[in-house]
Amino acid sequence: NAGVTQTPKFRILKIGQSMTLQCTQDMNHNYMYWYRQDPGMGLKLIYYSVGAGITDKGEVPNGYNVSRSTTEDFPLRLELAAPSQTSVYFCASSRQGAGAKNIQYFGAGTRLSVL
Amino acid sequence: AQSVTQLDSHVSVSEGTPVLLRCNYSSSYSPSLFWYVQHPNKGLQLLLKYTSAATLVKGINGFEAEFKKSETSFHLTKPSAHMSDAAEYFCVVSVRNNDMRFGAGTRLTVKP
Repeated sequence: NAGVTQTPKFRILKIGQSMTLQCTQDMNHNYMYWYRQDPGMGLKLIYYSVGAGITDKGEVPNGYNVSRSTTEDFPLRLELAAPSQTSVYFCASSRQGAGAKNIQYFGAGTRLSVL
Repeated sequence: AQSVTQLDSHVSVSEGTPVLLRCNYSSSYSPSLFWYVQHPNKGLQLLLKYTSAATLVKGINGFEAEFKKSETSFHLTKPSAHMSDAAEYFCVVSVRNNDMRFGAGTRLTVKP
């Protein structure tokens, strides 16, 4: 049981390049999330999805896009990378909406640098 | 609005001594509170959670936390640190589903 798997683990991008961060979970969870963590800061929610075909913005969605075509996969797209997007990105999933009764399971993170 | 403040960015202890990681929260409603741990190159793992039942919550690996409403605190403790406890720890507050607010994290170092 792999849980939540993120790829790649590390990536360096040039300004203006695009890339997709991959996230897949094998727990048949309905909810999936993308967070970013900047140095010295807590995780901030970028986007989340409550099921296949349904996505919604979180606290910091600008500069990102997501899609959810299957229950398992929730890729995060950066179209025009900017230095402000240098961060560590975490994907998470939960059976239902994360909170008191539904804990989140996290991937190991993707460390992205935009130069 | 809800938020958490982790009062120490870095805590260093010797193996076998107690661990205290401090967390204060701000919330307009009755919160749920969590502690997560992240070991190097691993995802975040839930240590324990408080959901308005007992104020002293026991978690995995000997950790526990006490919810103190009067002090708006949810400090994480362990009586005796192990080398394997070295990691980053995150305090999290939530008042509704899908709205989890993370603290900035505390890095715990355990010296032999």
